[in-house]
Amino acid sequence: SAVISQKPSRDICQRGTSLTIQCQVDSQVTMMFWYRQQPGQSLTLIATANQGSEATYESGFVIDKFPISRPNLTFSTLTVSNMSPEDSSIYLCSGGEGDGQPQHFGDGTRLSIL
Amino acid sequence: GENVEQHPSTLSVQEGDSAVIKCTYSDSASNYFPWYKQELGKGPQLIIDIRSNVGEKKDQRIAVTLNKTAKHFSLHITETQPEDSAVYFCAATTGGSYIPTFGRGTSLIVHP
Repeated sequence: SAVISQKPSRDICQRGTSLTIQCQVDSQVTMMFWYRQQPGQSLTLIATANQGSEATYESGFVIDKFPISRPNLTFSTLTVSNMSPEDSSIYLCSGGEGDGQPQHFGDGTRLSIL
Repeated sequence: GENVEQHPSTLSVQEGDSAVIKCTYSDSASNYFPWYKQELGKGPQLIIDIRSNVGEKKDQRIAVTLNKTAKHFSLHITETQPEDSAVYFCAATTGGSYIPTFGRGTSLIVHP
């Protein structure tokens, strides 16, 4: 199964700044995803990162706030822009082969906004 | 869209006991059901999965059962150990989709 690495593992940021989270997979994967997880809560899908094209965002998430890149089949970034305390959360990257196949997750980025 | 209900939200057992976590789904077209274990400070880790053409699957102390008619599936952990303590998530994926719908999670606590 694919091994997913995320950087940074945690960060504390100032209000109004932006942070880019990196996700590296040790093998090529068809699909990559970004999730948000509030402490003690389930996973909420932010977007599907599409290789070579714009990401597909879920309802409630927009490109201006969460720009995503996926330049190849092993790497993706998520930027959290113009951060506010409400953006404090765990951000998870996952990868998989799509329909009927498991997703594998990184250990997440724990983000706190002051 | 798909809706996945997971119960209980918290489960406390003694070491050596069995633990059962149950999930129901709404979309009869769902055909893939993974279970994830999330330890504190870690990402979710796939522990077992089952497809709709199978009724039961086992892997050592872990088993998953699926009842398509009733649209529910369950995770069974036997001979629980303190290291089984974690949050467990069920999920359901509709055929043709690549995005699972997750349950709300079960916090399993195994007391030594």
